[in-house]
Amino acid sequence: EIVMTQSPATLSVSPGERATLSCRASQSVSSNLAWYQQKPGQAPRLLIYGASTRATGIPARFSGSGSGTEFTLTISSLQSEDFAVYYCQQYNNWPPRLTFGGGTKVEIK
Amino acid sequence: EVQLVESGGGLVKPGGSLRLSCAASGFTFSSYSMNWVRQAPGKGLEWVSSISSSSSYIYYADSVKGRFTISRDNAKNSLYLQMNSLRAEDTAVYYCARVAPVVTADYWGQGTLVTVSS
Repeated sequence: EIVMTQSPATLSVSPGERATLSCRASQSVSSNLAWYQQKPGQAPRLLIYGASTRATGIPARFSGSGSGTEFTLTISSLQSEDFAVYYCQQYNNWPPRLTFGGGTKVEIK
Repeated sequence: EVQLVESGGGLVKPGGSLRLSCAASGFTFSSYSMNWVRQAPGKGLEWVSSISSSSSYIYYADSVKGRFTISRDNAKNSLYLQMNSLRAEDTAVYYCARVAPVVTADYWGQGTLVTVSS
């Protein structure tokens, strides 16, 4: 089973600053990686797929990079609506398995 | 507009059963594989099960295999999850999510809460 590890668990950032979130896979997942944003009481929302492609309607301040085992989600200038929990997910060995990282909470500093 | 609406959650005793439904609209349901993903209170996301567009391929997480059954009715644009032998650790919000050609969960429903407690 591929294990996805996200770091840090919590990231404290001031509005307008850059946030850099990391996701590591226990084995290569190629570019088959997605990022999701989840706000309290809401369903996850797809941000990035294919490691670096923004989903429809996602602002350009969100960018993804990486391949293989190391991935990064960057939010270039944090807006108030960006404070949330972010999850990475690998789909390289789907089917049959999908695995998510444990999440990074981006909070206001 | 793609919409996924889950229903059927509630409080059930350990060992009990529950059937979740997911009503889909705004897209050709019969052309898409679908997933169930759950989230225990205060925890992260866990994939539960997947079903292909024609129900030919079905997959389960080890944690639910033998207890949960995924199914769909393309004529009714609906996805289901039959949950039997429920345990306290199955307590979670259950989401249905659409599988897109390039990613495994592009649209999600709002979720339905399942609580397993005596």
